Amino acid sequence: AQSVTQPDIHITVSEGASLELRCNYSYGATPYLFWYVQSPGQGLQLLLKYFSGDTLVQGIKGFEAEFKRSQSSFNLRKPSVHWSDAAEYFCAVGAQGGTASKLTFGTGTRLQVTL
Amino acid sequence: KAGVTQTPRYLIKTRGQQVTLSCSPISGHRSVSWYQQTPGQGLQFLFEYFSETQRNKGNFPGRFSGRQFSNSRSEMNVSTLELGDSALYLCASSFGSLEKLFFGSGTQLSVL
Repeated sequence: AQSVTQPDIHITVSEGASLELRCNYSYGATPYLFWYVQSPGQGLQLLLKYFSGDTLVQGIKGFEAEFKRSQSSFNLRKPSVHWSDAAEYFCAVGAQGGTASKLTFGTGTRLQVTL
Repeated sequence: KAGVTQTPRYLIKTRGQQVTLSCSPISGHRSVSWYQQTPGQGLQFLFEYFSETQRNKGNFPGRFSGRQFSNSRSEMNVSTLELGDSALYLCASSFGSLEKLFFGSGTQLSVL
């Protein structure tokens, strides 16, 4: 069965600093990989996704993620964090040959941004 | 274009009751998925409907059921509510199988 691990429950960064959120997945083949963001009281918004091809994926709001098969990782990065980026971030995996609707989510990383 | 609309926003029920949650997807979207979000278990997939047919199902007991209507609107029903069913229930819609999910703001269910 597929699984996702987000080792960091809570991260605090200063505004303007760089950010990296870690995500490790477990899946037998090449998975579909996603990063979603959730603001308080809101649903989830897709930041970026990886299905195949270029392992460096660009997303919205200046985020990017790199798929590393050898490390089973899909870490999310942003070069300069803004205060509005404070939210909870979820990494998710979907099965190849399946749909992008049946996802297994990690437990999330809560990002706090200090001014 | 209107987003995914979930009603009601908040719901309080007592153990043993049943509840029905509603989700209106984005116009033109044919796939509707449901997720349960709790602090302890995180986000867990409940089921997905596509063109009125259940296409995928998660590992939840039979007390959790759903359906989709011809206009793609979906309902989710939980019977014989338990305290552990207290959660944020999120609905998401998409146009097709590999398209991104658009999430609603959820229905916060509290079971007393």
